[in-house]
Amino acid sequence: EPEVTQTPSHQVTQMGQEVILRCVPISNHLYFYWYRQILGQKVEFLVSFYNNEISEKSEIFDDQFSVERPDGSNFTLKIRSTKLEDSAMYFCASSEFGHPTSGELFFGEGSRLTVL
Amino acid sequence: KQEVTQIPAALSVPEGENLVLNCSFTDSAIYNLQWFRQDPGKGLTSLLLIQSSQREQTSGRLNASLDKSSGRSTLYIAASQPGDSATYLCAVPNDMDSNYQLIWGAGTKLIIKP
Repeated sequence: EPEVTQTPSHQVTQMGQEVILRCVPISNHLYFYWYRQILGQKVEFLVSFYNNEISEKSEIFDDQFSVERPDGSNFTLKIRSTKLEDSAMYFCASSEFGHPTSGELFFGEGSRLTVL
Repeated sequence: KQEVTQIPAALSVPEGENLVLNCSFTDSAIYNLQWFRQDPGKGLTSLLLIQSSQREQTSGRLNASLDKSSGRSTLYIAASQPGDSATYLCAVPNDMDSNYQLIWGAGTKLIIKP
């Protein structure tokens, strides 16, 4: 069964370092997303991406964050200068269609980011 | 602004019992509602998606119901097993124009005792 894959599963970094989290969405999907979950808190939307551009982003997704689809299969989230509060589980998701009436989101296993 | 609440926050029951998890949302204008399972430190596994036009959706021992007018959904788990122990999350799209910005509940942590 097709699945969304994420790497790395866990990354530890020093505050101020750049981090890139990688995702391979399901191959025929066109819409891609990043969500995050700080330990003990709700899952939060970060950004959605379609046709090589951001379609929506939340207040969390500030200038420190960027997303890219560098090739036909990968979708990346970059945090330019990590802060302690960026420590969280980051989930990538993809969908075939961009509207809730047309289907569901499929999520990856997550990348746990620990900022020291 | 849509808010999603799940009660109870935690639930512990003996193996074999049937149980119900609750999810409520403040804005009834939703397209769908999705139930997920999350094991400790792991990803989000979709269990059931129920469209706004549906009242129920079933998968194996799981049955999700949706009552849009009252802003409620329930997830019924029949004949619970220790392997069902996990956190169960519900989520709805943010608003009618949003392309899949999900709003999440905090989850119900379920423990099934052998």
